[in-house]
Amino acid sequence: DQQVKQNSPSLSVQEGRISILNCDYTNSMFDYFLWYKKYPAEGPTFLISISSIKDKNEDGRFTVFLNKSAKHLSLHIVPSQPGDSAVYFCAAKWAYKYIFGTGTRLKVLA
Amino acid sequence: DADVTQTPRNRITKTGKRIMLECSQTKGHDRMYWYRQDPGLGLRLIYYSFDVKDINKGEISDGYSVSRQAQAKFSLSLESAIPNQTALYFCATSDRAEAAQHFGDGTRLSIL
Repeated sequence: DQQVKQNSPSLSVQEGRISILNCDYTNSMFDYFLWYKKYPAEGPTFLISISSIKDKNEDGRFTVFLNKSAKHLSLHIVPSQPGDSAVYFCAAKWAYKYIFGTGTRLKVLA
Repeated sequence: DADVTQTPRNRITKTGKRIMLECSQTKGHDRMYWYRQDPGLGLRLIYYSFDVKDINKGEISDGYSVSRQAQAKFSLSLESAIPNQTALYFCATSDRAEAAQHFGDGTRLSIL
């Protein structure tokens, strides 16, 4: 049973435009949601998180939105840059446990 | 220098061999984790440790064992490797005061 789903394996966006990455979850007990970015041959790097009691968190070009009624979160990157090209994982946390999605490969075209 | 260091970065070995993957961290975090990543799947938790005396199984611990030698060191062992343990392995740390985990760069393990 996949508790955290990223339904889009890949996404291509033009440089300067908005990138929107999506994630759905099933467990209402999750208390934090996180986004990680992963380059080839490197480990995932923490990008941004949001508490389950919030609906938006912003950090520079990155904004995460949480819709609890829909059990959906999204990561917005504005403006997208070629260096943003990577695999993005969403993760959900409950107590000690982190459940990861399968990742979305973002390609930002120059 | 990396805050979370995994060794080796790559390893090819044969079925039945014992293998140890090592992880060390300079972040001072109490919590350490081992994950594996397979193509098309998210990271899955193998073992986690909240301090030197607190070690717990994750969702896929069968065939693996761990040792927390010190706060900064957490090693993963495959006692008798089998081909379906071929995967990318990640070590991670976290602090009890924050939600984010911090990952090493991974060990790519191939078992023939």
